Amino acid sequence: AQSVTQLGSHVSVSEGALVLLRCNYSSSVPPYLFWYVQYPNQGLQLLLKYTTGATLVKGINGFEAEFKKSETSFHLTKPSAHMSDAAEYFCAVSDPGGYQKVTFGTGTKLQVIP
Amino acid sequence: DTGVSQDPRHKITKRGQNVTFRCDPISEHNRLYWYRQTLGQGPEFLTYFQNEAQLEKSRLLSDRFSAERPKGSFSTLEIQRTEQGDSAMYLCASSTGTGVWEQYFGPGTRLTVT
Repeated sequence: AQSVTQLGSHVSVSEGALVLLRCNYSSSVPPYLFWYVQYPNQGLQLLLKYTTGATLVKGINGFEAEFKKSETSFHLTKPSAHMSDAAEYFCAVSDPGGYQKVTFGTGTKLQVIP
Repeated sequence: DTGVSQDPRHKITKRGQNVTFRCDPISEHNRLYWYRQTLGQGPEFLTYFQNEAQLEKSRLLSDRFSAERPKGSFSTLEIQRTEQGDSAMYLCASSTGTGVWEQYFGPGTRLTVT
């Protein structure tokens, strides 16, 4: 069974400050990991994904995440927050086998303060 | 590539009525997923199709819910005898099924049961 824990349902940062959204996962097999972003009343958009290989992955809009197996973590970062980053962010894990069922975390709502 | 589309975007219905939602996946994607998202939660898996075959259903999908994907193209999700607890955003996603099955999400259908 897979699960995802996102620490902090709400995070506030000042514009220009570092963004750090935390995600820990549980999986019985080496997982695929994802971060999605959701703007109000819209579907989810993939920010970045980790499958195999390099543990630091870069995504769209300047976001990146690092897979740390020893810590079972996949935290999302961005060096400098923009107002347009205000949205809800979901960490997700999938099992590489079968049909790659995706399990989502409960989300972190990011507020950017001008 | 026009993305995943869903119709309607919003649906208000009275308790006890039946509703049907439609999802049109990206044209070359043979895998299709339905999720339900309630306020403050991440998307929860409902069901999965590979072409026209429904291969897995979550226990969340009670006998009032039925999904179809005739001819392996668009899919419909029907809820019979709606209950207030069915109020949620219903998301559809599709993927190619090759390599990492990255899921592309539609904008969702927001259901409100009064």
